Amino acid sequence: QVQLVQSGAEVKRPGASVKVSCKASGYSFTDYYIHWVRQAPGQGLEWMGRINPNTGATNSAQKFQGRVTMTRDTSISTAYMELSGLRFDDTAVYYCVRGYSYSNFDYWGQGTLVTVPS
Amino acid sequence: QSALTQPASVSGSPGQSITISCTGTSSDVGSYNLVSWFQQRPGKAPKLMIYDVSKRPSGVSNRFSGSKSGNTASLTISGLQAEDEAAYYCCSFVGSSTLVFGGGTKLTVL
Repeated sequence: QVQLVQSGAEVKRPGASVKVSCKASGYSFTDYYIHWVRQAPGQGLEWMGRINPNTGATNSAQKFQGRVTMTRDTSISTAYMELSGLRFDDTAVYYCVRGYSYSNFDYWGQGTLVTVPS
Repeated sequence: QSALTQPASVSGSPGQSITISCTGTSSDVGSYNLVSWFQQRPGKAPKLMIYDVSKRPSGVSNRFSGSKSGNTASLTISGLQAEDEAAYYCCSFVGSSTLVFGGGTKLTVL
C-alpha cells in the first residue's frame, strides 16, 4: 500500500534551517510529484511547493522562494524539504503529499511538527 | 497569490444538505478545472474528497459532490452525518505551476 513516512518533530532556533524527509513506499517514486504543505497551529493549509522526483525540477510559492529547497534521492525513494532562515511564524506541521496532478493529492504523510520558539 | 475565500463556518442538522463555497478570481478558479477539496479532522492529515472540480476518489461517499460556476467552486454534502463534522479546505491551480488553498471552513453538525 502507498505510504509516505516523514521524519520526526524538530525544535529549531530562529535563523536556523530545518530539513524534513518523506520516504515513499508502495508505488514508483518517480511517477508522481511530491508536494509540501504546511499548517500553523490552529490555522489553515498553505501550499509551499512541489518536486518532480523524476527530474528534480521544483516549483515553489512566491512566499517561500529563496528560503525553501526541495530535493530527492531516488535510490531510497525519499523527498526532502529544507527551510532556511526560520522564524517564529514558521512553527507548523509540515506535510508531504503525493500529487497525481495539480488537483489529485491522494496520499499524505503523517506530518512533521517544526517548532521555532520565540 | 491570495488565499481563496471560504466561509469560516457552516452548520447543518443530520440529514440536511450543506454547501461550502470557495471563491477565487478569473485567474485561478475561473480559469482552470483544477479545484480540489479536502476534509480534515482534528489532529489528522487532510483527506482528498473531490478533485478536478467534481471527481470523487475511490472510497469517498457519493454524498460528497463538487461543482464550479464562474470564479466560485462549491462542495455539497448531502444527507449530513455526524461524522462529516470537520474542517474543509478548497485548493486551486493558479498558473505558473503553483497552487493556493482556501482559508478553510469548519462544518458543525447540529
